[in-house]
Parts: sequence; C-alpha cells; structure tokens
Amino acid sequence: GENVEQHPSTLSVQEGDSAVIKCTYSDSASNYFPWYKQELGKRPQLIIDIRSNVGEKKDQRIAVTLNKTAKHFSLHITETQPEDSAVYFCAAGYKNSGGSNYKLTFGKGTLLTVNP
Amino acid sequence: EAGVAQSPRYKIIEKRQSVAFWCNPISGHATLYWYQQILGQGPKLLIQFQNNGVVDDSQLPKDRFSAERLKGVDSTLKIQPAKLEDSAVYLCASSASGGADGELFFGEGSRLTVL
Repeated sequence: GENVEQHPSTLSVQEGDSAVIKCTYSDSASNYFPWYKQELGKRPQLIIDIRSNVGEKKDQRIAVTLNKTAKHFSLHITETQPEDSAVYFCAAGYKNSGGSNYKLTFGKGTLLTVNP
Repeated sequence: EAGVAQSPRYKIIEKRQSVAFWCNPISGHATLYWYQQILGQGPKLLIQFQNNGVVDDSQLPKDRFSAERLKGVDSTLKIQPAKLEDSAVYLCASSASGGADGELFFGEGSRLTVL
C-alpha cells in the first residue's frame, strides 16, 4: 500500500518568514496530493491540492509543488502569520477501483509554530 | 450548509467495554469515511462507504471494529471489545460527487479514551 513520509515533524518560524514542508510517497499510482490544516482541537480542513498533471499550484500565500519522478511534493507558505500556526498534513491518493472515490494516505503531520 | 456532525465528542471507557460513534454527513454527500487519528499521527482510513456499500475496509480491525451505513446517510462505528491502543480521535468525513474532486469534509471528531 501507499506510504507517505512527512518532514519536518515540527517547524518554528518567525512571523513574515517562509515555511516549507516536504512529503514523499511510495505508490506511483497516486495522482492526487492534498494538504490539510488542523488547528488545535479542530477538524482538518483542505487548504490546497494538486493533481499529477500539474507541477505547481498557488493560492495567495500558499503553494504546492509536485515532482512525480522523485515522488515528492512540498507545501510552501510565504509571509507567515501567527494564524498559520497549526498541524499540516499531506496526503497522497488515487481513485478506488470503479473510479468514483479517492483513497488517501496521510502523513504524520507537521506542527508549524509562527512566532510573532 | 451544515457540516459533518459527530457524537459523542468525548467518551471514556474501560478496556473490554464497547462504544459506538455516530456520524451524519453533509446532505447529499454519497461518500462517507471513518478515520482513526492517534495522538501525534495523521488520520488513518478505517472504512469508506459509497452510499450504503463498503468501498474499502482493508484497514479495519474486523475482529473488534464494525461500521454500517444502512440507509446511505448516517453511519455508526462500533468497537467491541475496546483495547488500550484504541484510544484515539475517530474522525468522520464525507465527500461530494462520489469523492471525484477529492475534498474531504471532516467532522469535529469523537475522542475515545480507553482506561
């Protein structure tokens, strides 16, 4: 099955700096790579995703890059703010047989702390 | 729109007891997932339903865990008997369009402590 490794497990940055979180995956069948943000005690929420036909995607201060050859993808947050403090999870997946659903495997998460 | 509803939010039981969690997905979402999130780890898929049929239950410990989604809407996840290692947050999620666009909408979770 799919195995997703995520690094670092913790990351502390100063407000305004950039933060980068990296993930690797093992299953070459994976073609969908979402990132979820989970604030303390709250539900995970999708912040950005990328599919295998795209190398990079941006949404305001966040961007994701994908290298399918190397089987790794990264989350980049620029101009970090204290409200970016949370646990970030990467995931990798592909559609189940029948093609109607994605099966996702999550990384272990990165605790990002943005210091004011 | 209303989000994914889960109950109870917290449950404390002793090992070998049983527990049940309930989930009501977002209206119209055909796909429903149960994830187990152990402290410090990412969510791990236990079971995935499409309407009332099971799509994937390969990681569900079937000797003690069971789940059902009888009418293709609400779902229950049961653990019997519970073990210490079952202490975790149980997250329910749903997705629209059969999950074709990928986004999962999670509930707040049910935190289980097994003593």
